[in-house]
Amino acid sequence: QVQLMQSGPELKKPGASVKVSCKASGYTFTAYYIHWVRQAPGQGLEWMGWINPNTGGTKYAQKFQGRVTMTRDTSTSTAYMELSSLRSDDSAVYFCAKDQRDENWFDPWGQGTLVTVST
Amino acid sequence: EIVLTQSPGTLSLSPGEGGTLSCRASQSLIGRNIAWYQQKPGQAPRLLLYGASNRATGIPDRFSGSGSGRDFTLTINRLAPEDCAVYYCHQYGSSPLTFGGGTKVEIK
Repeated sequence: QVQLMQSGPELKKPGASVKVSCKASGYTFTAYYIHWVRQAPGQGLEWMGWINPNTGGTKYAQKFQGRVTMTRDTSTSTAYMELSSLRSDDSAVYFCAKDQRDENWFDPWGQGTLVTVST
Repeated sequence: EIVLTQSPGTLSLSPGEGGTLSCRASQSLIGRNIAWYQQKPGQAPRLLLYGASNRATGIPDRFSGSGSGRDFTLTINRLAPEDCAVYYCHQYGSSPLTFGGGTKVEIK
Protein backbone atom coordinates (compact mmCIF):
# COMPACT_ATOMS: atom_id res chain seq x y z
CA GLN A 1 0.00 0.00 0.00
CA VAL A 2 1.01 3.64 -0.39
CA GLN A 3 3.14 4.73 2.55
CA LEU A 4 5.32 7.64 3.60
CA MET A 5 7.85 6.88 6.32
CA GLN A 6 9.59 9.80 8.02
CA SER A 7 12.82 10.06 9.97
CA GLY A 8 12.99 10.18 13.74
CA PRO A 9 12.74 13.06 16.23
CA GLU A 10 15.35 15.79 16.28
CA LEU A 11 16.64 18.10 18.99
CA LYS A 12 18.39 21.19 17.68
CA LYS A 13 19.85 24.37 19.09
CA PRO A 14 18.68 27.80 17.93
CA GLY A 15 20.43 28.85 14.75
CA ALA A 16 21.07 25.28 13.60
CA SER A 17 19.50 23.46 10.65
CA VAL A 18 17.42 20.30 10.52
CA LYS A 19 16.84 17.90 7.64
CA VAL A 20 13.81 15.61 7.73
CA SER A 21 13.38 12.71 5.33
CA CYS A 22 10.24 11.12 3.90
CA LYS A 23 10.60 7.74 2.16
CA ALA A 24 7.80 6.80 -0.22
CA SER A 25 6.69 3.30 -1.12
CA GLY A 26 3.82 1.59 -2.91
CA TYR A 27 3.56 3.99 -5.85
CA THR A 28 5.60 5.72 -8.55
CA PHE A 29 7.52 8.33 -6.57
CA THR A 30 8.09 10.67 -9.49
CA ALA A 31 4.41 10.86 -10.46
CA TYR A 32 3.08 12.83 -7.49
CA TYR A 33 4.17 15.95 -5.64
CA ILE A 34 5.24 15.74 -2.01
CA HIS A 35 4.10 18.53 0.31
CA TRP A 36 5.38 19.49 3.74
CA VAL A 37 3.06 20.67 6.51
CA ARG A 38 3.96 21.53 10.08
CA GLN A 39 2.00 21.64 13.33
CA ALA A 40 3.22 23.49 16.41
CA PRO A 41 2.24 21.99 19.78
CA GLY A 42 -1.51 22.29 20.31
CA GLN A 43 -1.89 24.31 17.12
CA GLY A 44 -3.30 23.85 13.63
CA LEU A 45 -1.73 22.84 10.33
CA GLU A 46 0.58 25.09 8.31
CA TRP A 47 1.54 24.39 4.70
CA MET A 48 5.24 24.90 3.93
CA GLY A 49 5.55 24.01 0.25
CA TRP A 50 5.92 21.22 -2.26
CA ILE A 51 8.48 19.44 -4.39
CA ASN A 52 7.92 17.83 -7.75
CA PRO A 53 9.94 14.60 -7.43
CA ASN A 54 10.13 14.23 -11.20
CA THR A 55 11.83 17.55 -11.98
CA GLY A 56 13.01 18.68 -8.55
CA GLY A 57 10.99 21.86 -8.97
CA THR A 58 9.75 23.45 -5.77
CA LYS A 59 7.29 26.02 -4.47
CA TYR A 60 7.60 27.40 -0.96
CA ALA A 61 5.18 29.35 1.19
CA GLN A 62 6.36 32.94 1.43
CA LYS A 63 6.83 32.64 5.19
CA PHE A 64 9.57 30.05 4.70
CA GLN A 65 11.28 31.48 1.62
CA GLY A 66 15.01 31.70 2.19
CA ARG A 67 14.97 29.25 5.11
CA VAL A 68 13.54 26.06 3.64
CA THR A 69 14.97 23.77 1.00
CA MET A 70 13.10 20.76 -0.37
CA THR A 71 15.02 18.12 -2.30
CA ARG A 72 14.60 14.54 -3.39
CA ASP A 73 16.56 11.41 -4.22
CA THR A 74 14.76 9.44 -6.90
CA SER A 75 17.08 6.43 -6.47
CA THR A 76 15.67 5.87 -2.97
CA SER A 77 12.21 7.46 -3.45
CA THR A 78 12.95 9.86 -0.63
CA ALA A 79 12.02 13.51 -0.22
CA TYR A 80 13.81 15.85 2.15
CA MET A 81 12.91 19.10 3.89
CA GLU A 82 15.70 21.19 5.37
CA LEU A 83 14.91 24.19 7.56
CA SER A 84 17.74 26.52 8.57
CA SER A 85 18.27 29.27 11.14
CA LEU A 86 16.01 27.45 13.56
CA ARG A 87 14.16 29.37 16.26
CA SER A 88 12.20 28.15 19.24
CA ASP A 89 8.93 28.74 17.38
CA ASP A 90 10.02 26.25 14.73
CA SER A 91 9.45 23.52 17.32
CA ALA A 92 6.72 21.44 15.73
CA VAL A 93 5.76 18.15 14.18
CA TYR A 94 6.65 18.17 10.49
CA PHE A 95 4.58 16.02 8.13
CA CYS A 96 5.12 15.04 4.53
CA ALA A 97 2.08 14.22 2.40
CA LYS A 98 1.45 12.96 -1.10
CA ASP A 99 -0.91 14.87 -3.33
CA GLN A 100 -2.92 13.78 -6.37
CA ARG A 101 -1.91 14.22 -9.98
CA ASP A 102 -4.15 17.21 -10.68
CA GLU A 103 -5.38 18.25 -7.24
CA ASN A 104 -3.50 19.16 -4.11
CA TRP A 105 -5.40 17.24 -1.47
CA PHE A 106 -3.23 15.04 0.68
CA ASP A 107 -3.38 11.29 1.04
CA PRO A 108 -1.59 9.68 2.69
CA TRP A 109 0.48 11.58 5.22
CA GLY A 110 3.71 10.52 6.83
CA GLN A 111 3.63 9.76 10.54
CA GLY A 112 5.28 13.06 11.41
CA THR A 113 8.70 14.07 12.77
CA LEU A 114 8.99 16.03 15.99
CA VAL A 115 11.58 18.79 15.79
CA THR A 116 12.42 20.49 19.07
CA VAL A 117 14.48 23.68 19.08
CA SER A 118 15.95 24.40 22.48
CA THR A 119 19.15 25.49 24.17
CA GLU B 1 -4.10 34.19 0.90
CA ILE B 2 -7.44 32.49 1.51
CA VAL B 3 -8.24 32.34 5.22
CA LEU B 4 -10.49 29.49 6.37
CA THR B 5 -12.54 29.99 9.53
CA GLN B 6 -13.97 26.90 11.18
CA SER B 7 -16.84 26.84 13.65
CA PRO B 8 -17.64 25.88 16.27
CA GLY B 9 -14.35 25.53 18.05
CA THR B 10 -15.68 22.53 19.96
CA LEU B 11 -18.72 20.40 19.17
CA SER B 12 -20.09 18.20 21.95
CA LEU B 13 -22.38 15.41 20.81
CA SER B 14 -24.00 12.41 22.39
CA PRO B 15 -23.28 8.98 20.90
CA GLY B 16 -25.58 8.41 17.95
CA GLU B 17 -26.28 12.11 17.54
CA GLY B 18 -25.49 14.05 14.38
CA GLY B 19 -23.67 17.34 13.99
CA THR B 20 -22.44 19.87 11.44
CA LEU B 21 -19.02 21.49 11.19
CA SER B 22 -18.63 24.71 9.26
CA CYS B 23 -15.74 26.08 7.17
CA ARG B 24 -16.00 29.60 5.74
CA ALA B 25 -13.48 30.98 3.26
CA SER B 26 -12.40 34.62 3.14
CA GLN B 27 -13.15 34.63 -0.57
CA SER B 28 -15.14 32.48 -2.93
CA LEU B 29 -13.33 29.34 -4.03
CA ILE B 30 -12.97 28.54 -7.70
CA GLY B 31 -14.37 25.05 -7.93
CA ARG B 32 -15.09 23.00 -4.86
CA ASN B 33 -11.46 22.58 -3.86
CA ILE B 34 -12.03 21.78 -0.20
CA ALA B 35 -10.81 18.71 1.65
CA TRP B 36 -11.57 17.62 5.20
CA TYR B 37 -9.17 15.74 7.48
CA GLN B 38 -9.60 13.98 10.82
CA GLN B 39 -6.76 14.08 13.32
CA LYS B 40 -6.57 12.10 16.54
CA PRO B 41 -4.02 12.89 19.27
CA GLY B 42 -0.50 11.84 18.36
CA GLN B 43 -1.50 10.85 14.82
CA ALA B 44 -1.16 12.33 11.37
CA PRO B 45 -4.24 13.82 9.71
CA ARG B 46 -6.39 11.37 7.76
CA LEU B 47 -8.24 12.35 4.60
CA LEU B 48 -12.03 12.18 4.91
CA LEU B 49 -13.39 14.13 1.96
CA TYR B 50 -12.08 15.89 -1.14
CA GLY B 51 -13.81 18.03 -3.74
CA ALA B 52 -16.09 19.16 -0.89
CA SER B 53 -18.24 16.01 -0.97
CA ASN B 54 -16.27 12.98 -2.22
CA ARG B 55 -15.51 10.46 0.49
CA ALA B 56 -12.00 9.03 0.56
CA THR B 57 -11.48 5.29 0.37
CA GLY B 58 -12.69 3.49 3.48
CA ILE B 59 -14.49 6.46 5.02
CA PRO B 60 -17.89 5.51 6.49
CA ASP B 61 -20.96 7.02 4.86
CA ARG B 62 -21.92 8.75 8.10
CA PHE B 63 -19.45 11.43 7.00
CA SER B 64 -20.73 13.73 4.27
CA GLY B 65 -19.78 17.11 2.88
CA SER B 66 -21.41 19.91 0.98
CA GLY B 67 -21.01 23.52 0.01
CA SER B 68 -19.73 25.89 -2.62
CA GLY B 69 -18.46 29.43 -2.94
CA ARG B 70 -17.37 30.51 0.55
CA ASP B 71 -19.31 28.09 2.74
CA PHE B 72 -18.64 24.41 3.24
CA THR B 73 -19.87 21.89 5.78
CA LEU B 74 -18.90 18.49 7.10
CA THR B 75 -21.78 16.52 8.58
CA ILE B 76 -21.30 13.59 10.93
CA ASN B 77 -24.36 11.39 11.29
CA ARG B 78 -24.73 8.94 14.19
CA LEU B 79 -21.58 9.90 16.10
CA ALA B 80 -19.43 6.92 17.07
CA PRO B 81 -16.86 7.03 19.91
CA GLU B 82 -14.01 6.68 17.39
CA ASP B 83 -15.11 9.94 15.73
CA CYS B 84 -13.73 12.00 18.62
CA ALA B 85 -10.98 14.02 17.00
CA VAL B 86 -10.08 17.42 15.56
CA TYR B 87 -11.39 18.09 12.06
CA TYR B 88 -9.63 20.45 9.65
CA CYS B 89 -10.81 21.88 6.36
CA HIS B 90 -8.22 22.60 3.67
CA GLN B 91 -8.45 24.66 0.49
CA TYR B 92 -6.20 23.47 -2.29
CA GLY B 93 -7.35 25.55 -5.24
CA SER B 94 -5.26 28.61 -4.57
CA SER B 95 -1.65 29.08 -3.49
CA PRO B 96 -0.68 29.26 -0.71
CA LEU B 97 -2.63 26.22 0.36
CA THR B 98 -4.33 26.90 3.68
CA PHE B 99 -6.08 25.09 6.52
CA GLY B 100 -8.80 26.08 8.93
CA GLY B 101 -8.07 26.26 12.62
CA GLY B 102 -9.93 23.04 13.37
CA THR B 103 -13.07 21.90 15.18
CA LYS B 104 -12.75 19.50 18.09
CA VAL B 105 -15.53 16.89 18.27
CA GLU B 106 -16.06 15.35 21.68
CA ILE B 107 -18.52 12.99 23.32
CA LYS B 108 -21.01 14.74 25.57
